[in-house]
Amino acid sequence: SQTIHQWPATLVQPVGSPLSLECTVEGTSNPNLYWYRQAAGRGLQLLFYSVGIGQISSEVPQNLSASRPQDRQFILSSKKLLLSDSGFYLCAWSPGYYGYTFGSGTRLTVV
Amino acid sequence: DAKTTQPNSMESNEEEPVHLPCNHSTISGTDYIHWYRQLPSQGPEYVIHGLTSNVNNRMASLAIAEDRKSSTLILHRATLRDAAVYYCIPPSGNTPLVFGKGTRLSVIA
Repeated sequence: SQTIHQWPATLVQPVGSPLSLECTVEGTSNPNLYWYRQAAGRGLQLLFYSVGIGQISSEVPQNLSASRPQDRQFILSSKKLLLSDSGFYLCAWSPGYYGYTFGSGTRLTVV
Repeated sequence: DAKTTQPNSMESNEEEPVHLPCNHSTISGTDYIHWYRQLPSQGPEYVIHGLTSNVNNRMASLAIAEDRKSSTLILHRATLRDAAVYYCIPPSGNTPLVFGKGTRLSVIA
């Protein structure tokens, strides 16, 4: 069966520090991969999605970037975190454009 | 994506049926209607999806209006574990899901 792993579960980082969040999917090949963010008390915001290795679509131009170095690996990065980057980051995968499965999320607090 | 309208919040008693409405009047003829829910402190989870006819699965039923401009998610017997934010999403073609504000369902014991 397919599983999605996302880590770490919680993270506290100082302003200006770098960020790297990793997401991996097992049990499937060529999945669509997504990064969403949910700020406190707000809705889910699509940040990036990828339909294949090296193919990244950005929905929100910010100080975040995403990479897909391997078929089932999706990485969210930042060179310098801002206070406004705090939130609940969720990785998801889907076999096509339906049936999303979300990871357990990373709760990031920028201090 | 089609514009959707959902009530901000709803309340239900435990063990009773819940009907969660969604209006999506601008949906195209080929777009499926998806429902997801997000439990507190978790990522969303898939509930059900459908195109034209009503759909049932172990979690819920989806009733789709004949003109497809609205749909209703039906939880047959609400439990405390069903307390969540429910999202109705009719994506446009091959585009990623965009989550709106959804309906916050509270279940009273």
